[in-house]
Amino acid sequence: NAGVTQTPKFQVLKTGQSMTLQCAQDMNHEYMSWYRQDPGMGLRLIHYSVGAGITDQGEVPNGYNVSRSTTEDFPLRLLSAAPSQTSVYFCASTTDYEQYFGPGTRLTVT
Amino acid sequence: GDSVTQMEGPVTLSEEAFLTINCTYTATGYPSLFWYVQYPGEGLQLLLKATKADDKGSNKGFEATYRKETTSFHLEKGSVQVSDSAVYFCALRGGTSYGKLTFGQGTILTVHP
Repeated sequence: NAGVTQTPKFQVLKTGQSMTLQCAQDMNHEYMSWYRQDPGMGLRLIHYSVGAGITDQGEVPNGYNVSRSTTEDFPLRLLSAAPSQTSVYFCASTTDYEQYFGPGTRLTVT
Repeated sequence: GDSVTQMEGPVTLSEEAFLTINCTYTATGYPSLFWYVQYPGEGLQLLLKATKADDKGSNKGFEATYRKETTSFHLEKGSVQVSDSAVYFCALRGGTSYGKLTFGQGTILTVHP
């Protein structure tokens, strides 16, 4: 049971490039979420999903897309990276009362 | 909307000192409250939780009581250790929004021997 896995661990992009952050969980949880963590601001919700085929926006969705074709996978896509998207990204999957977080992806956009 | 406010940090303590990290919240209805801990280079781990007023969450010597009258969920530990050095986040989940947590800004705790 690997829990929540994220790849890559580190990534450097140039402004305007696109990429996909991968997230997978093997706990059969319906709920999954993406957060970004910035200094002094805690974690902010980007997008979340309540099940395969169902996604919704969180607090800071602009510049990011998500899809949920299977229960296990919840990728986050940056369509055209901007320096403001430099951050640490965490994926989480959720039971009724606990969110399990992945180890994070540190993204730098130059 | 929902919000969480944590005490300003960082907090620096000597080993065996008493720890309090204040957390207050604003939410409609009856949220569930959480404390998460993040060790250097790692993701967040659930430390403790409380799901209704007057509940006390506890784990690893840490405690927090859900106080609806003061909208607070302060984290306490009677005797901290060097290994408790980490970033602590207070968070809330409103109603049945299972996939959505609202976090405070985090408090950096450093414990010296």
